[in-house]
Formats: sequence, C-alpha cells, structure tokens
Amino acid sequence: EVHLVESGGGLVQPGGSLRLSCGASGFTFSDHYMEWVRQPPGKGLEWVGRIRHKAHSYITEYAASVKGRFTISRDDSNNSLYLQMNSLKTEDTAVYYCVRNDYGRLDSWGQGTLVTVSS
Amino acid sequence: DIVMTQSPDSLAVSLGERATINCKSSQSVLYSSNNKNSLVWYQQKPGQPPKLLIYWASTRESGVPDRFSGSGSGTDFTLTISSLQAEDVAVYYCQQYYTTPLTFGGGTKVEIK
Repeated sequence: EVHLVESGGGLVQPGGSLRLSCGASGFTFSDHYMEWVRQPPGKGLEWVGRIRHKAHSYITEYAASVKGRFTISRDDSNNSLYLQMNSLKTEDTAVYYCVRNDYGRLDSWGQGTLVTVSS
Repeated sequence: DIVMTQSPDSLAVSLGERATINCKSSQSVLYSSNNKNSLVWYQQKPGQPPKLLIYWASTRESGVPDRFSGSGSGTDFTLTISSLQAEDVAVYYCQQYYTTPLTFGGGTKVEIK
C-alpha cells in the first residue's frame, strides 16, 4: 500500500523559511514524478510544483506564485521528498500535500501538513 | 494556464437520486498521442486529502463504486453520481494534467437534500 507522510509544518513569520519533508513507502519511489499541492484553509486546491525522476533529470517545475521562493528536491536513496520554502508570505498559509504522480494522474496523497504564516 | 471552471458551486440531491457536476477547460485537454483526455476527478471529505475517482476523463480508479462515472471530451466534462449515497457527501474537484501548471476547478460541494 502506498503511504506518504508529510512533516515539518508549523507557524512561521512572514519572510521566514520552512522545510517540509515527505516520507514515502509501499512503492518504488524513484520511478515516479512527485508533486506538492496546497490547500488554504476552507479553500480549493493549488498545484505548487513537481520534480521528475532520475530518467528525466530530476527536472523541477513550479507554480508562478512560488517560483523563485520554493525549491523541490528528492532523495531516492531515502524515499524522501522535500519542499524548501523561503520568503514566506501570509498567502502561503495552507495544508501542503505530498502527492504521487502515476503516469500523469495524482493517485496517492499524504494526509498533509499545515503551514501557517503569521506574525 | 488552462483555467478549469466547475458548475454548480454546490448541489443538494436526495438520497438515491442523480448528481451531475460539470467542468469546463479553457482549452482542449485531449492528448493526441493516445487520444485520451487528461482530466481527473477527485472527492474530498472534510479533514481528508483528495481521493482520486476518475482519470482519463472516464476511467474509474480501482475500488471506486460504479455509481461514479465520468464523461466528456475536449473542453467539456461531467462527473455523474448515479444514485447518491450518504457517504458521497463531499467536495468534488476536476483537474487537468495535460500541461503544467496543473490546474483545478474551484470545487462542487454535494449535500443531501
């Protein structure tokens, strides 16, 4: 069974930084693109970004709203996905989900971790 | 960016009745290499992550009840719940995976009348 567990969320001041982690199990992590998707409290879903697998050179892509501030990385040896978030803004407040991409469809989601950006 | 527009925003249906949710994309999401539409539907219950229901616009994910069906092509898509059950109360989202940025519809809240 696919299992994704996010960690690292919490309260941070505007302008601050935070690093989210996602541990994966139950599948061959290195074979899959991985995504981050976020959801502000009471609102809809927003794609944050993607990291491809090794065969596709670990290419990353980002939403315009986070490009230049957020960085996605992965450690295939430890089945882990990361989201480094810098220069955080109040509008980055959201639950952040780690998601597996299976041939395009986002088929497995973690439970999410809440990031609150507030002074 | 491809804009995904869902309608209605909310829907109240009696138990056992049909629920229909619409999703329109601002451009075609038909993937020419396999002639399939890069469109998924998710169900999200309170306090839970989204759950994949339908992919390629009409293929049901494993384990999803057959009362859920997806249809449409090009820019217009529909999710149908043929006979609403109490456990189907949730918010439903469409999303295109034709190109990045991946984009979601605004969601449709389904309730019991």
